[in-house]
Amino acid sequence: NAGVTQTPKFQVLKTGQSMTLQCAQDMNHNSMYWYRQDPGMGLRLIYYSASEGTTDKGEVPNGYNVSRLNKREFSLRLESAAPSQTSVYFCASSRGGQRWNSNQPQHFGDGTRLSIL
Amino acid sequence: GESVGLHLPTLSVQEGDNSIINCAYSNSASDYFIWYKQESGKGPQFIIDIRSNMDKRQGQRVTVLLNKTVKHLSLQIAATQPGDSAVYFCAENLAYSGAGSYQLTFGKGTKLSVIP
Repeated sequence: NAGVTQTPKFQVLKTGQSMTLQCAQDMNHNSMYWYRQDPGMGLRLIYYSASEGTTDKGEVPNGYNVSRLNKREFSLRLESAAPSQTSVYFCASSRGGQRWNSNQPQHFGDGTRLSIL
Repeated sequence: GESVGLHLPTLSVQEGDNSIINCAYSNSASDYFIWYKQESGKGPQFIIDIRSNMDKRQGQRVTVLLNKTVKHLSLQIAATQPGDSAVYFCAENLAYSGAGSYQLTFGKGTKLSVIP
């Protein structure tokens, strides 16, 4: 029972390089999310996908793009990496549903630790 | 200021004692709350959730209490074990974002250390 799988687990980039972080879930969830976690800042939402075919900005979307490839996969792309994007990135998924049934927990992967020099 | 926060950034307890981790929230419209546990090098792990129409919910060794009057959430861990050592986050549902999804706002976390 894998849950949410993120690849790679670690990555070091140089400023200006591009990279795509991969995320896949096997729980048949409708909604998927990308967060970054920085010391003293808590988890902050970058982008989310409420359902297959839709994506929306979260709190800190600048410098990132996302693709909901299919129901299972949601990728995060850094087109031109900057040192300020050094962080731990978490992908999450939730069942989603109608408003009266929308309160469902998000389940997280173990993160990608990204350093940008 | 941050809508979701924690009263205590660190908490040390003796093994076998009960632990109480507190969280304050500021948005009275929030209707769903979650507690997560995060171990070093791992992602947040769901512990327990509660909806705003409830005051209390119990799980295995954990209880969440919600006091809407003072906008306060707490997580109680019974008979704390060394494996409970981790950072604990509360999160609140601030907005319904359509299509059945929702957005959460997370607190910064409390580190729980269990003394053997």
